Amino acid sequence: DTEVTQTPKHLVMGMTNKKSLKCEQHMGHRAMYWYKQKAKKPPELMFVYSYEKLSINESVPSRFSPECPNSSLLNLHLHALQPEDSALYLCASSLRASSGNTIYFGEGSWLTVV
Amino acid sequence: AQKVTQAQTEISVVEKEDVTLDCVYETRDTTYYLFWYKQPPSGELVFLIRRNSFDEQNEISGRYSWNFQKSTSSFNFTITASQVVDSAVYFCALSEAGYGGSQGNLIFGKGTKLSVKP
Repeated sequence: DTEVTQTPKHLVMGMTNKKSLKCEQHMGHRAMYWYKQKAKKPPELMFVYSYEKLSINESVPSRFSPECPNSSLLNLHLHALQPEDSALYLCASSLRASSGNTIYFGEGSWLTVV
Repeated sequence: AQKVTQAQTEISVVEKEDVTLDCVYETRDTTYYLFWYKQPPSGELVFLIRRNSFDEQNEISGRYSWNFQKSTSSFNFTITASQVVDSAVYFCALSEAGYGGSQGNLIFGKGTKLSVKP
């Protein structure tokens, strides 16, 4: 079983809605990530948090707003999304935010924008 | 430039057959890390194995084995006596040491969809 838990598992939202995806890990990891995965494609990195500070934003549109309230929690706030934003959103964590650290993924949140 | 190639898009086998998933990578770094992940239809990316560029020892874990060949830049994955539960998309990924670390920049291959039929 994964030690990175994500909620909700499925989310359907309208283009004018505001919703949030939540992620939690209790492995003592100090790096947390959001990835986006479209159907039949590999995951793409969106954001990296290192010690609760945003360290990488891969040119993600501002309608996606990440937040890291503490070392165990990571949120992704969603507002005014487009249908093309429908995808699987994967949260992940690793001991540190540097290469060589194994990244562990959660089960993902399936997002549909209507 | 860094790149991971999984030439096999889909593989279909019958249960109990052995199957090898191919992965070829490109990197200019002398220190790098290679990973295999499994993604069943539920969506979760499950970590399977990590290999460091300076550790060419191959590994067997139950029905799984990995063959890391630096000379050919390959990191292949074999399932022995496949089972229906092995059906999933398998991703090979590369992380380079780079300048100050890659910070989560896993470079994924496009994935190989494995279907194991009873």
